[in-house]
Amino acid sequence: GENVEQHPSTLSVQEGDSAVIKCTYSDSASNYFPWYKQELGKGPQLIIDIRSNVGEKKDQRIAVTLNKTAKHFSLHITETQPEDSAVYFCAASKGTGNQFYFGTGTSLTVIP
Amino acid sequence: GAVVSQHPSRVICKSGTSVKIECRSLDFQATTMFWYRQFPKQSLMLMATSNEGSKATYEQGVEKDKFLINHASLTLSTLTVTSAHPEDSSFYICSASFVGNTDTQYFGPGTRLTVL
Repeated sequence: GENVEQHPSTLSVQEGDSAVIKCTYSDSASNYFPWYKQELGKGPQLIIDIRSNVGEKKDQRIAVTLNKTAKHFSLHITETQPEDSAVYFCAASKGTGNQFYFGTGTSLTVIP
Repeated sequence: GAVVSQHPSRVICKSGTSVKIECRSLDFQATTMFWYRQFPKQSLMLMATSNEGSKATYEQGVEKDKFLINHASLTLSTLTVTSAHPEDSSFYICSASFVGNTDTQYFGPGTRLTVL
């Protein structure tokens, strides 16, 4: 089965700096890679996703890169703000109704 | 768009009782709904996958007679925790896949279950 590893488990950055979270996956058949933000006591919220036919995707301050050969993908947050503080989860899936395999999460703290 | 709601948000019950949690897709029809369990500071653990009108598929180690899942319509799935025990206390979260965009899962806000 699929195994998704996520690093780092905790990350502290100064407001305005960039944050990078990395994930690796094991199953080359995985083709869909979403990222979720979870605030305390709430459900995960989709912030960006990427499919295997794309190498990079950007949405304002958030970007995701995918390296299929190396089987890793990364989340990049630029110009971080205190409201970016949350737990971020990556996931990998074979798409279309298949289950998600989640990483272990990264607790991001943005220091004002 | 793609809003998923859960009810209740919090529930406290006595050991031995049953608790029902509802998951609704408010503005779309959900092909598939998923139920997860999350312990503090841990990742999400998939419990079961349900398709409308079909029996749920449970993950290994999840007791289907204890965690009853009903997916009666394209907008509603329910999870019933039967004969709850303190070890069932957890954060339960549902998600739904969008008809026409079945790659993505949209998550509900979660239900905090505490069994006394």
